[in-house]
Amino acid sequence: DTAVSQTPKYLVTQMGNDKSIKCEQNLGHDTMYWYKQDSKKFLKIMFSYNNKELIINETVPNRFSPKSPDKAHLNLHINSLELGDSAVYFCASGGVNTEAFFGQGTRLTVV
Amino acid sequence: SQQGEEDPQALSIQEGENATMNCSYKTSINNLQWYRQNSGRGLVHLILIRSNEREKHSGRLRVTLDTSKKSSSLLITASRAADTASYFCATPPLGDYKLSFGAGTTVTVRA
Repeated sequence: DTAVSQTPKYLVTQMGNDKSIKCEQNLGHDTMYWYKQDSKKFLKIMFSYNNKELIINETVPNRFSPKSPDKAHLNLHINSLELGDSAVYFCASGGVNTEAFFGQGTRLTVV
Repeated sequence: SQQGEEDPQALSIQEGENATMNCSYKTSINNLQWYRQNSGRGLVHLILIRSNEREKHSGRLRVTLDTSKKSSSLLITASRAADTASYFCATPPLGDYKLSFGAGTTVTVRA
């Protein structure tokens, strides 16, 4: 069983569209994250949730809206996509007092 | 700037040699974690060292932590081609849910 799974793996879309990325973890962790990794491999934290509550929002444009329906899920919805949103997005869980587990990433390409 | 920063940015070594990379951070931490990322994949946890530990081993990996200098090092001994990857440190600050990463060290092991 995959510990942290995110879908889709690839997403190609046009500027201005709205898209969602889903993330699920089966590890029972309280904390989940979204990260954006750019072409230079810099891994930037976007959001952190703990027990379905938003803990960290790292000055991400409000076009990005995370949603956590329960502790096991943290989805990312992006409105009005821009070229600069092209990146690989990673979901992760755990990680503060224990190791973090990462999803395989979603490569978003905005054309 | 980021809480944790790796040095050097890139490292190229011959198979069988050792590779050393460093991580510096700014604030007091609960623990320090090292991760590996193979091209196109998510991050994989390698070692977690707690703030009251000075050294930890896992297979061919050795991690040291110097809290007085706010720095850590990761040593990979007897490197193999499969060690070619980017290595990141993460330093969750005390009492914080922010698991943030540096820009990573890209290690290339030549056959």
